Amino acid sequence: ETGVTQSPTHLIKTRGQQVTLRCSSQSGHNTVSWYQQALGQGPQFIFQYYREEENGRGNFPPRFSGLQFPNYSSELNVNALELDDSALYLCASSPATGGANYGYTFGSGTRLTVV
Amino acid sequence: QQQVKQSPQSLIVQKGGISIINCAYENTAFDYFPWYQQFPGKGPALLIAIRPDVSEKKEGRFTISFNKSAKQFSLHIMDSQPGDSATYFCAASMRSGGGADGLTFGKGTHLIIQP
Repeated sequence: ETGVTQSPTHLIKTRGQQVTLRCSSQSGHNTVSWYQQALGQGPQFIFQYYREEENGRGNFPPRFSGLQFPNYSSELNVNALELDDSALYLCASSPATGGANYGYTFGSGTRLTVV
Repeated sequence: QQQVKQSPQSLIVQKGGISIINCAYENTAFDYFPWYQQFPGKGPALLIAIRPDVSEKKEGRFTISFNKSAKQFSLHIMDSQPGDSATYFCAASMRSGGGADGLTFGKGTHLIIQP
């Protein structure tokens, strides 16, 4: 049973650019959530995807968007990057749409640095 | 508004001792309270979780104590071992939201177990 895999592991972007992060969910999991973890902080919920649609969103602006594909993998897109977007981005999969209430399997994350 | 407050920020415990981490929440709609463990370079991993219909849950050396009236819950690690050295996050979510609102995490506790 494979876990959650994320790519790339590290990324450096310039302010104003756009970035796409990728996630493959754990086998058998149909729901994917994305979290932003700033240095020294707890993860913050960005959004959740179930059946290829966003069905839950945290307090993040529209320039944070995502996709889920038929194989349940997912992308996180961030437009117009700001310095404060520098963080570890975590993908979490779960076997049901109530992912937060069933226990996530997190990936190791993508470390994004915006300069 | 920080909805889940975690303390202490860092904790040093001798091997074999008891590690205690505390969390307090504000939103009375929260009804699922997990603890996650995170090692450097890895994503968080679910450790143990509790729902408010019980006051205590034990799994091996890990115990959650829950006080609904005080809106507080805590993690106790018995017989702490050097391998327990990690960052621990408490979190909360609302089952009524179907889990699509994600988890609200505390800021984390950096635990060091000294040999």
